Amino acid sequence: RKEVEQDPGPFNVPEGATVAFNCTYSNSASQSFFWYRQDCRKEPKLLMSVYSSGNEDGRFTAQLNRASQYISLLIRDSKLSDSATYLCVVRGGTYKYIFGTGTRLKVLA
Amino acid sequence: GAGVSQSPSNKVTEKGKDVELRCDPISGHTALYWYRQSLGQGLEFLIYFQGNSAPDKSGLPSDRFSAERTGGSVSTLTIQRTQQEDSAVYLCASSIAGGGLDTQYFGPGTRLTVL
Repeated sequence: RKEVEQDPGPFNVPEGATVAFNCTYSNSASQSFFWYRQDCRKEPKLLMSVYSSGNEDGRFTAQLNRASQYISLLIRDSKLSDSATYLCVVRGGTYKYIFGTGTRLKVLA
Repeated sequence: GAGVSQSPSNKVTEKGKDVELRCDPISGHTALYWYRQSLGQGLEFLIYFQGNSAPDKSGLPSDRFSAERTGGSVSTLTIQRTQQEDSAVYLCASSIAGGGLDTQYFGPGTRLTVL
């Protein structure tokens, strides 16, 4: 089983739609969680960190469920510019970041 | 401000040749990571440097791969006797101290193609 698993997609959604991605992780000792965004042929960039209580940044909401060992990302009112691959990243007690393979989102006009 | 830079941006080489990839982290960042991303795959951890500590080389796929970090700043990743399976994008990232909710900042990567 992979340490971090994501549905590769693609998720094809119309503009204005709400879309949610889940990510599961295997190491119950994981301590830090992140969502990164990666555009085609570009480097990953931090979208948001995920806090235990859940957090929101504009149209983006991240949730953490430690009991079930998953994190989620909700995007409301999707824009064309949201089209990208979304990487789930988990970090244990060390410095190592474990990246999922990403979920590809395509927002359609 | 200056982000993480990498050079070259693209490298095409012949099988069996050695290549050297360079990473300039953000000034003041003590933690530096190298990753590899093959087409359609996730990021594969290669090596981690933190300050003056011994690097974690546990992700290097073979002894053909080595990396250095001089003066706690610039890092070079060297691949000897390149093979076609080494073709990938090599990404470097840095963070302030390598702990907690540190944000990793990535460079644009070096796209390596081994013919």
